[in-house]
Amino acid sequence: QQPVQSPQAVILREGEDAVINCSSSKALYSVHWYRQKHGEAPVFLMILLKGGEQKGHEKISASFNEKKQQSSLYLTASQLSYSGTYFCGTVPGYQKVTFGTGTKLQVIP
Amino acid sequence: DAGVTQSPTHLIKTRGQQVTLRCSPKSGHDTVSWYQQALGQGPQFIFQYYEEEERQRGNFPDRFSGHQFPNYSSELNVNALLLGDSALYLCASSLDRIKQPLHFGNGTRLTVT
Repeated sequence: QQPVQSPQAVILREGEDAVINCSSSKALYSVHWYRQKHGEAPVFLMILLKGGEQKGHEKISASFNEKKQQSSLYLTASQLSYSGTYFCGTVPGYQKVTFGTGTKLQVIP
Repeated sequence: DAGVTQSPTHLIKTRGQQVTLRCSPKSGHDTVSWYQQALGQGPQFIFQYYEEEERQRGNFPDRFSGHQFPNYSSELNVNALLLGDSALYLCASSLDRIKQPLHFGNGTRLTVT
């Protein structure tokens, strides 16, 4: 089942912060986060694993609540380059990555 | 180090025709997944190949089939094309281990008229 992301869209001014949420109805082993710019391929940002391990870019932070099957991506001091659509991908087990519908982020000067 | 490459970049087909899309994974990767992305939507999982076999499949009809070759490259075939098959088709490669991210290609934009 597809994870649910919120908000669907957000507009930020440079320097502002944002939080993107991802929720699943299934027990999860891990959560992935990707960013896709218009006309480009999704790019990996972070993996969060059950048990607390994280793997990803230094400037990106995220959390994973295993009990609630929820994850949040934290974007701080946003830059113009942060603009794009953010997708969470959930992995119930050693299985395929199922993507959410995305959160469109626009950072304006 | 070449990333994931897909061909062709764009393709226009007519309803009822068949199409083959190709993907070369990132060097060292042994697992290939295919996704369909409609405009404004998240990628939808089609299937995943590992060791030349289809390991998992999403909710797509049998018109969608694939293949993985010994060099790990992969093909996606779609038969009897429908207008609704128009989408961006993304190939993603990874290592067959836990904690491994997906590396996406730039996709093939398929338009069915």
